Amino acid sequence: LAKTTQPISMDSYEGQEVNITCSHNNIATNDYITWYQQFPSQGPRFIIQGYKTKVTNEVASLFIPADRKSSTLSLPRVSLSDTAVYYCLVGDVGNAGNMLTFGGGTRLMVKP
Amino acid sequence: SQTIHQWPATLVQPVGSPLSLECTVEGTSNPNLYWYRQAAGRGLQLLFYSVGIGQISSEVPQNLSASRPQDRQFILSSKKLLLSDSGFYLCAWTPTPGHTNYGYTFGSGTRLTVV
Repeated sequence: LAKTTQPISMDSYEGQEVNITCSHNNIATNDYITWYQQFPSQGPRFIIQGYKTKVTNEVASLFIPADRKSSTLSLPRVSLSDTAVYYCLVGDVGNAGNMLTFGGGTRLMVKP
Repeated sequence: SQTIHQWPATLVQPVGSPLSLECTVEGTSNPNLYWYRQAAGRGLQLLFYSVGIGQISSEVPQNLSASRPQDRQFILSSKKLLLSDSGFYLCAWTPTPGHTNYGYTFGSGTRLTVV
């Protein structure tokens, strides 16, 4: 299982772009990179997933360099409601029984 | 569409009492099922996972057990709760191979306080 390293916490202000980087040096060929968002007392929810290059959806972008040893979650123009913990997961979600290990995540605090 | 149900939402139990948390998934078949625990302010710890009925794998030796009596039902149990069993318990599922998926879908969680 690929181990991930993320900053423990980040602060930002409303309207700013936030970039959270995750390191995963031992990512395997079949591994995907998935980011989750968790609010207090709720289960994590899927934000975005990618394999390589750039992926964009309505809430975020995910940048993955060619060597795939890191990835960056980009949240455009954050609001107070984006205050949450963000987890980076790396693994082959398609394999039965594959266990993805959640690290400590990055606690994002958005200030007014 | 697929949904996951987890109950109860909160639970306060005395030390030494039994525990049974239930999780069910709808709208899919043969999912992989997981139980996670999250201590206050911490990350998620995988407790058990299951790839099929009656098939349980444990990640961490502990005072808990899991069972999968039906394809879309996953139960977390304990015969005698300890104070250290307090935490936020999350059930999750992922599709089996061959399905388009985006990783985990989590339930809403159960906040367990052992007193």
